[in-house]
Amino acid sequence: AQSVTQLGSHVSVSEGALVLLRCNYSSSVPPYLFWYVQYPNQGLQLLLKYTSAATLVKGINGFEAEFKKSETSFHLTKPSAHMSDAAEYFCAVRSGANSKLTFGKGITLSVRP
Amino acid sequence: KAGVTQTPRYLIKTRGQQVTLSCSPISGHRSVSWYQQTPGQGLQFLFEYFSETQRNKGNFPGRFSGRQFSNSRSEMNVSTLELGDSALYLCASSLEAGVLSYEQYFGPGTRLTVT
Repeated sequence: AQSVTQLGSHVSVSEGALVLLRCNYSSSVPPYLFWYVQYPNQGLQLLLKYTSAATLVKGINGFEAEFKKSETSFHLTKPSAHMSDAAEYFCAVRSGANSKLTFGKGITLSVRP
Repeated sequence: KAGVTQTPRYLIKTRGQQVTLSCSPISGHRSVSWYQQTPGQGLQFLFEYFSETQRNKGNFPGRFSGRQFSNSRSEMNVSTLELGDSALYLCASSLEAGVLSYEQYFGPGTRLTVT
């Protein structure tokens, strides 16, 4: 079985501040982890993915995430928030054979001017 | 390369009716998955199709069904609509099925409202 926990439903930061969105996963086998972003009235766009090649993964729009097996975490960070980063962010996991993509509940990021 | 397209984008139906949603994957992608997104339940997996065969199915009642055609296009059908079926239905395509590292590319979704 696999699952994802995204604590909190809303994060608010000032423009230029650090963005940290937390994601913890549960999986009985090595996981593949993904972060997606969803803007209003749109589908999901892939930000980055972890596929065991490197624990620090860089994605689009300046985002990165670090896989920490000991903490079962895959937190998303961005050094400096921009107004255009305001959106909903989803962490997702796939593991095992023929496995579906399981999403967390999502976190809404607000950026204050 | 064109992205995943979904039609229609918006749909209003009455309780008890049935509805069919369509998804065209990215050219060359052979796997199509469907998800339901609601404020209360979040993103939930409905089913996955590959080579016209259902490979995986989520925990939804039999009123939810789907199929895939030889050109990889997919449709999902919901019969006897209930108010709780109101949701954003997202389609995602991937190169292959069963390769966990392959990302899924999502379409813009179909917003279904049941009255």
